[in-house]
Amino acid sequence: LAKTTQPISMDSYEGQEVNITCSHNNIATNDYITWYQQFPSQGPRFIIQGYKTKVTNEVASLFIPADRKSSTLSLPRVSLSDTAVYYCLVATPNRDDKIIFGKGTRLHILP
Amino acid sequence: GAGVSQTPSNKVTEKGKYVELRCDPISGHTALYWYRQSLGQGPEFLIYFQGTGAADDSGLPNDRFFAVRPEGSVSTLKIQRTERGDSAVYLCASRRQKGAEAFFGQGTRLTVV
Repeated sequence: LAKTTQPISMDSYEGQEVNITCSHNNIATNDYITWYQQFPSQGPRFIIQGYKTKVTNEVASLFIPADRKSSTLSLPRVSLSDTAVYYCLVATPNRDDKIIFGKGTRLHILP
Repeated sequence: GAGVSQTPSNKVTEKGKYVELRCDPISGHTALYWYRQSLGQGPEFLIYFQGTGAADDSGLPNDRFFAVRPEGSVSTLKIQRTERGDSAVYLCASRRQKGAEAFFGQGTRLTVV
């Protein structure tokens, strides 16, 4: 499983766009990137998943450069309710069934 | 059911006692996972099941921890001779197939006193 590195914490203000970058230098050819969000006292929740270039859904966008050694989760116009821990995971489909979490990035949105 | 259900939501037990934590996955999800999460840490992988069998139990910390999934749906995590260090939130997740998104329950907060 590729190791991921992401900032321990970030602060931002309501209405701002927040970008959280994750490094995964030893990502393998078939690996894909997944982000989960966890609110206090809840289990993690899937946000977005991608393999290359850009993926967008109703919650976030995921940007993956050509070398795929990093990825950036982009949250548009955050609100106080986006305060949570965000986890970046890398796994190989059809092989790595374990879902391994790191420490994540603790995002704190200020009013 | 609509989501992954874990019971009880909270459990307080005395050191040395035996506890069972239950997980009801989403119907039709063949993969089921157990995690343990301490304050300020990410979820720590314990074990996962594919169907009835434990496909990977490498995360179980010692032989006091055991999990079963006899009919390929509900799973029970069993902890013998509990220790204060076992206090944590125990999370269960399920997913339909490899690579699909995982759905987590709300967790069981275990406190060993």
